Amino acid sequence: AQSVTQPDIHITVSEGASLELRCNYSYGATPYLFWYVQSPGQGLQLLLKYFSGDTLVQGIKGFEAEFKRSQSSFNLRKPSVHWSDAAEYFCAVNPLTGTASKLTFGTGTRLQVTL
Amino acid sequence: SQTIHQWPATLVQPVGSPLSLECTVEGTSNPNLYWYRQAAGRGLQLLFYSVGIGQISSEVPQNLSASRPQDRQFILSSKKLLLSDSGFYLCAWSIRARAEAFFGQGTRLTVV
Repeated sequence: AQSVTQPDIHITVSEGASLELRCNYSYGATPYLFWYVQSPGQGLQLLLKYFSGDTLVQGIKGFEAEFKRSQSSFNLRKPSVHWSDAAEYFCAVNPLTGTASKLTFGTGTRLQVTL
Repeated sequence: SQTIHQWPATLVQPVGSPLSLECTVEGTSNPNLYWYRQAAGRGLQLLFYSVGIGQISSEVPQNLSASRPQDRQFILSSKKLLLSDSGFYLCAWSIRARAEAFFGQGTRLTVV
C-alpha cells in the first residue's frame, strides 16, 4: 500500500543544534515530495519541494532536504535550530495520478526546541 | 499574489446541526481545490477535491459533502453533524500541472 512514514513522533533539540527529521515513502515510482510546517492552530506552510533533478533541495527558513531514491527517503535538515522552529512538521507526497495534486501526509513530527 | 481565505476560524456546533465552511482563493484562475481534515494527533486526510466548477470528487465516505459553486469558492457542508466530525479542517489550492498545494489557516470544528 502507498504510504508516508515519519517514524519520530516527537523530537527535542537544543537551540543551535542541528536537526534531521526523517521521512520514508512507499510508492511504485518516485512521487513529488514536500515538507510542510504547521504552528499550533495554524494552516500548513510549504518549506520545500522535490520534483526532479538535484537531490538536495533548499527551502525557506534555512531548511534543506535530501532525496535518496535507494532508501525511499526525503529527510529534512537544518544546521542550526532556532527557538522559532518549534512546530509540527509534515512530510507529504503527490503520487502524480490524475489531474489533481492529491497529497498523502505522514503523521507528523512535533519539534520542541529547548533554550 | 495568490491568497486563500477560510472561515470561520473556530466553530462549536451541537450534534445534529448543519455545517457550512467556506473557502475562497484570490489571484488565480481555475485552481484545483481541496478539503483536508486533521484529527487530533494525526496527519491530514484528504476529504474532497475539485478540478472545476461543479466537479467534486470524494476520497472517503463520510457525513460531509462539498460543493464548488464558483471557480474560486469551495464549500464543505453537512446536514447533520456527528461527534466524529470534530477536527481541524483545512482548505487548499493548487495550480493544474503543478504539484504543491497551498493551505488556508484552517477551521477548528468542535461538535458537542
